[in-house]
Amino acid sequence: DTAVSQTPKYLVTQMGNDKSIKCEQNLGHDTMYWYKQDSKKFLKIMFSYNNKELIINETVPNRFSPKSPDKAHLNLHINSLELGDSAVYFCASSQPHGAGVTDTQYFGPGTRLTVL
Amino acid sequence: GEDVEQSLFLSVREGDSSVINCTYTDSSSTYLYWYKQEPGAGLQLLTYIFSNMDMKQDQRLTVLLNKKDKHLSLRIADTQTGDSAIDFCAEREMDSSYKLIFGSGTRLLVRP
Repeated sequence: DTAVSQTPKYLVTQMGNDKSIKCEQNLGHDTMYWYKQDSKKFLKIMFSYNNKELIINETVPNRFSPKSPDKAHLNLHINSLELGDSAVYFCASSQPHGAGVTDTQYFGPGTRLTVL
Repeated sequence: GEDVEQSLFLSVREGDSSVINCTYTDSSSTYLYWYKQEPGAGLQLLTYIFSNMDMKQDQRLTVLLNKKDKHLSLRIADTQTGDSAIDFCAEREMDSSYKLIFGSGTRLLVRP
């Protein structure tokens, strides 16, 4: 009954490879996000989708391409991996509400990507 | 631009109170959150406060918000070893993007 799940949990790969991380939420939320956490634990938003439409793209390199086949899934594909892509990637979801009601984001367990 | 700052480290003895501080720059923030991250795990929501409130209490957690100074604090009463984690404050942007801007996290160490 996991709310937000990600696969894989660990990903080790060589520079230049292409890889994908998958995210699924069973909370019925309309909005999903990808965050990147670097080695110093700093968390930064990368993308956000609302009902399969991109609403945030935070100056992430073109090598990163999110794909949302339906509102319960948001996958992250990374082309030509670089050493600096090594990080923990977190998926999250929320349900936007009107004024005065919080739209808490629920996070997945993270995917630790190591590029060698 | 938007910026959220926290002290990096706090060490307390078990049973004492912990106070973690956070400052933010975006005065239009609607909600402010505290998340907890245990080693190797994702982020877990601890509590949140709406920007029109000064204080919120949730069991052992008390959040204080000073909008004038853009200062947010989290007090944990009777801190337990299980509270050891990195605690992040985050502000939610006023715009329609719903994105969270996170602080750098405060590593809370609870000594037995």
